Amino acid sequence: GAVVSQHPSRVICKSGTSVKIECRSLDFQATTMFWYRQFPKKSLMLMATSNEGSKATYEQGVEKDKFLINHASLTLSTLTVTSAHPEDSSFYICSARHLYGRRNEQFFGPGTRLTVL
Amino acid sequence: QKEVEQNSGPLSVPEGAIASLNCTYSDRGSQSFFWYRQYSGKSPELIMSIYSNGDKEDGRFTAQLNKASQYVSLLIRDSQPSDSATYLCAAPWGLNSGGYQKVTFGIGTKLQVIP
Repeated sequence: GAVVSQHPSRVICKSGTSVKIECRSLDFQATTMFWYRQFPKKSLMLMATSNEGSKATYEQGVEKDKFLINHASLTLSTLTVTSAHPEDSSFYICSARHLYGRRNEQFFGPGTRLTVL
Repeated sequence: QKEVEQNSGPLSVPEGAIASLNCTYSDRGSQSFFWYRQYSGKSPELIMSIYSNGDKEDGRFTAQLNKASQYVSLLIRDSQPSDSATYLCAAPWGLNSGGYQKVTFGIGTKLQVIP
């Protein structure tokens, strides 16, 4: 149990285009999903917290107009990187917190490696 | 002071030995702690959760929590080359502006198990 999928796993795009990443909890319902970014040899950086049916909460320094988050259901959250630029190239990872699970346990998706040319 | 601190390593141990990974945290109110394993180029995988003082064992893994010392550790017995990865310690840290509990991650300790 507690499987989280992400799609796509890898994307290469041109500068200025938008990229949409999907995060799904496959075998459980998730009230809360989290979006992280990780640069090489660095720790996870929380970008935003996504809650079903409400607006996402962004961490300080993360542009909400650039990183659009939609949590449409208890099993799906999407992150759209708008007008992507080379500095947005990174490993984006989502995680989900089980609706009825142990407090604060998060299960991670496999990640999406974004390369902006 | 960082919320969760870990030595980045690398920690090298011979195959079959016990690997000991350590983590300290700053929020005395934290009630839950997690160890994640992250292979190079992959996302983190939850391997242990611990909520109360003492030891918690799961197979070759033992998590140890000492709330008085604000210290969490992970022991890996009979280390295998497949255990070579970065191990992230995580603990709750405050609330975001929406009132939701956040979890903060340490930088991770890189473990190398030498055959």
